[in-house]
Formats: sequence, C-alpha cells, structure tokens
Amino acid sequence: VIWMTQSPSLVSASTGDRVTITCRVSQDISSYLAWYRQKPGRAPDLLIKAASTLQSGVPSRFSGSRSGTDFTLIISSLQSEDFATYYCQQYHSFPPTFGQGTKVEIK
Amino acid sequence: QVQLQESGPGLVKPSETLSLTCNVSGGSVGSYYWSWIRQPPGKGLEWIGYIYYNGRTDSNPSLKSRATISIDTSKNQFSLILKSVTAADTAVYYCVRDRTGDGPFDYWGQGTLVTVSS
Repeated sequence: VIWMTQSPSLVSASTGDRVTITCRVSQDISSYLAWYRQKPGRAPDLLIKAASTLQSGVPSRFSGSRSGTDFTLIISSLQSEDFATYYCQQYHSFPPTFGQGTKVEIK
Repeated sequence: QVQLQESGPGLVKPSETLSLTCNVSGGSVGSYYWSWIRQPPGKGLEWIGYIYYNGRTDSNPSLKSRATISIDTSKNQFSLILKSVTAADTAVYYCVRDRTGDGPFDYWGQGTLVTVSS
C-alpha cells in the first residue's frame, strides 16, 4: 500500500493569500497523482490530475507540481469558496489511496 | 452532464449487510469504471472498490472480501453490498466515475450517510 502524507494538516489564511499544500508519497508513483477540494457537507471535486493538469472548468489559480515523490498544490489567490479540505490521491498502484487531508480555514 | 445518485438504507444493524445502489443519469455506464468511496464522519477518504461496465470488479484488500460490487447496464446503475458491518463502517458512501478503476475520480454522487447501530 502506498502511503500519502499531507502537510500541513491545517492552514489558516485570508482571502487573497497564496496557499501551498504538500503531499509526500511513500514510493515512486511517477505523476499519477490527483488533487481534490471538498467543501463542507459536499462531495470532493477533482481539481488536478497527472500531478499538474488542471481539470476542465477548474480556475487557473490552482496549480500542481511534482518533485520526485513530493507533490505540491498551490492556490495563488485564495477565494471564499476555497476554504475547504484538500486531498491528494495516488492512482499508480492498487489500491488507490488518499492523503489524510489539509483543511484551509479562515484566519 | 453525468449525474450520480446513491440510494439505500441510512441505518444498518451490526453484523448485517449494507446495500447501496447508484443510479447514473446523463450518460451510459458503458466504457467507464464505477467505484465506491467512503468517508467516516470527520475523517478521510477510503476507496472501496470498482466495477467496469463489462462486469470486471475488484475491491480494497482492507475490507477482507466483505465488499461486492455489481452492475446492471439495462438500468444504468451499479450497487455495493458490504457484509458483516460494524460501527467502523459508519460513513458517507459516495459513488464515483473514472476511466481506469483507480482514479482520478471525475464525477461524484452527493453521498449518502450510512450509520451502523443497533
């Protein structure tokens, strides 16, 4: 099983801030990583796939990158709808697994 | 626009069987993989298993063969059965779509809360 460790677990930020979330993976998964945003009481939404490809319809303030087994999600300018929990997910190896989540809260 | 909708009992007794169905509208179940993912209250996401439109299926080994997923292409729906449930199976259950069976998951149902309690 591939383990996913997200950091930080909690981010306190204000509207307009730049936010960076990291996902460290326990072994090489190439770029088979996705990012999701989950608003309170809602199902997750796919933001990014293949580590850096923006899903159709997702705003350009979201971006993703990879460096080895470290993956990063950046929100360049936080909007009100971005106060939510973010999850990374690997789809390189069976079974697919998720990180524990990073909550972005209002400062 | 593909839409997924879960349905089933919201309360199941310990040791009994959880049964959920996902109705797919706005598109065919053909040529895609369909999965179940769950989320215990206040916790993270766990992939349960998938089924392909041709019936090929697999599930998370963590569930120790308690999960069975089936599909009915004539009704454009797929189902989850989870046997011998305990309180640890209390969660919001989501049905989702993807193209490979293991993600990325691009369409999600709204989720349904299933509580295991006597």
